[in-house]
Amino acid sequence: AQSVSQHNHHVILSEAASLELGCNYSYGGTVNLFWYVQYPGQHLQLLLKYFSGDPLVKGIKGFEAEFIKSKFSFNLRKPSVQWSDTAEYFCAVNAAGGFKTIFGAGTRLFVKA
Amino acid sequence: GAVVSQHPSWVICKSGTSVKIECRSLDFQATTMFWYRQFPKQSLMLMATSNEGSKATYEQGVEKDKFLINHASLTLSTLTVTSAHPEDSSFYICSARDGTASTNTEAFFGQGTRLTVV
Repeated sequence: AQSVSQHNHHVILSEAASLELGCNYSYGGTVNLFWYVQYPGQHLQLLLKYFSGDPLVKGIKGFEAEFIKSKFSFNLRKPSVQWSDTAEYFCAVNAAGGFKTIFGAGTRLFVKA
Repeated sequence: GAVVSQHPSWVICKSGTSVKIECRSLDFQATTMFWYRQFPKQSLMLMATSNEGSKATYEQGVEKDKFLINHASLTLSTLTVTSAHPEDSSFYICSARDGTASTNTEAFFGQGTRLTVV
């Protein structure tokens, strides 16, 4: 069965600091990988996705993620965070060609102004 | 991106009553929809996969008689919480995938429904 592990439950950063959120998945086959963001009081939004090709994926709002197949990882990065990045971030995976998306536990990011 | 609409956004009901939540794909046909439940400060837990025209597939530990799912058309799936109890209070979220797109496409999420059972 698929599973997703996010290493940090809470992260506190100051503005302009760099961000890296860890995500590892467990699945033996080919996967599609996603990062979603949930701002306070809002619903989930897709930040970026990886299906195939270049393992370095760029998403919206300056976020990027790198798929490292050998490590079963898909870490999210941003060089310089802003206060408006305060939100909860979810890593998710589904089997390529499949439909069921499994989510990690989420990481709550708080950016201090 | 595609739009998925949930209704209602929030609902308060009395213990023992049933509540229906609707999930609609507004500009695409969704052969498959998913229902998730999110407890406070926790992740989304997949409850069931809703297939148009057939029975839903429930995840382990989810009571199918408690959470009735109907996917009668390509744009509508409903989740009915039957005989609701306070422990059913949660945030319920649906998502849908475009059935006409390639298999490698993301799911689009509704805005969620906050259910409070008193």
